[in-house]
Amino acid sequence: DQQVKQNSPSLSVQEGRISILNCDYTNSMFDYFLWYKKYPAEGPTFLISISSIKDKNEDGRFTVFLNKSAKHLSLHIVPSQPGDSAVYFCAARDSWGKLQFGAGTQVVVTP
Amino acid sequence: DVKVTQSSRYLVKRTGEKVFLECVQDMDHENMFWYRQDPGLGLRLIYFSYDVKMKEKGDIPEGYSVSREKKERFSLILESASTNQTSMYLCASSGGGDLYEQYFGPGTRLTVT
Repeated sequence: DQQVKQNSPSLSVQEGRISILNCDYTNSMFDYFLWYKKYPAEGPTFLISISSIKDKNEDGRFTVFLNKSAKHLSLHIVPSQPGDSAVYFCAARDSWGKLQFGAGTQVVVTP
Repeated sequence: DVKVTQSSRYLVKRTGEKVFLECVQDMDHENMFWYRQDPGLGLRLIYFSYDVKMKEKGDIPEGYSVSREKKERFSLILESASTNQTSMYLCASSGGGDLYEQYFGPGTRLTVT
């Protein structure tokens, strides 16, 4: 049973607008949350992370928000650019130190 | 730049064949991982290794084995390939005590016919 869920398989957004990607999890013992980005024919690359003791982390155009009570995190990309078109994976670190990944969200940024 | 390379980008094998997928990293990382990526399921951990000759089962180890004889190299072995092992296989590595900031190779698309 998947412990990390990304319920939106795809997202289309106009260039310059905000992209909001959502992720829900079930395991309250996860201590670190990450977002990875994947282009076709390449491996995923680390994008941004957040510790479970924080509720927000920002890095340039990318901000991750964590709501522990709701077991929900989100990634905001502002402003969205054509190069942001990729698959985004949400991941969480479990008590064994392993990462549990969501199914991914395909983002398409249109001109 | 961390580089993780995988021996093949595309591989086609027949049911019952023994398959070796090789992964090499050049950053002296202690930790190495093998995942498979399937549509709708994301990345699932098959096996990982904390050190040379060490291996730990991930979430879906059945039908797979691994070998880590040298620090930079981590091999995934399918003893007898089956059609349900058709997938994208991704290798990753990470350094030090952190297992989470992993660097991934480009992947091997394996088709078992």
